Amino acid sequence: DQQVKQNSPSLSVQEGRISILNCDYTNSMFDYFLWYKKYPAEGPTFLISISSIKDKNEDGRFTVFLNKSAKHLSLHIVPSQPGDSAVYFCAASARGTGNQFYFGTGTSLTVIP
Amino acid sequence: DADVTQTPRNRITKTGKRIMLECSQTKGHDRMYWYRQDPGLGLQLIYYSFDVKDINKGEISDGYSVSRQAQAKFSLSLESAIPNQTALYFCATSDPTAFGNEQFFGPGTRLTVL
Repeated sequence: DQQVKQNSPSLSVQEGRISILNCDYTNSMFDYFLWYKKYPAEGPTFLISISSIKDKNEDGRFTVFLNKSAKHLSLHIVPSQPGDSAVYFCAASARGTGNQFYFGTGTSLTVIP
Repeated sequence: DADVTQTPRNRITKTGKRIMLECSQTKGHDRMYWYRQDPGLGLQLIYYSFDVKDINKGEISDGYSVSRQAQAKFSLSLESAIPNQTALYFCATSDPTAFGNEQFFGPGTRLTVL
């Protein structure tokens, strides 16, 4: 069973607007969450993370929100730029699992100039 | 130079053949991982290693084996390849003492088993 789910395989947004990527998880033991960005022919690269003790973490144009009661996190990109076009993966881990992360299936974001 | 390298980048092989995928890193990280990515399934953990003497199975280890030859090298083997092992394979490293605890990925190996 997929413990981390990204229900939107793709998303298209106009340049300058907000992109919102969503991720849901089922394991209530998860306490650390990350977003990765992946371009074609490259490996995923770390984007931003959040610990379960927080509900928001911001880094420049990227903000991650965590709603523990709903087991939901989202990544907001404002303003969206064409270079943000990539596949975005969310990942989650639980303390004590030795840095074992569970990944979602990815959302392909296209930012239209 | 890339911090995490994988060889080969692409490989086509036949059912029943033994295949080895290699991963090297210059980040000095103790922890290394092998993942596979299939369309619609995201990344799934095959094996991970916390140091040279510590190897652990991940979610989907059946049909695979690994070898941690040194801190910098972690190899994945398919003893007898089968078509449903056709996938994109990623190696990753991490430093558990670093704030953020993120993993650093190699560029991937695209494996096709005919």
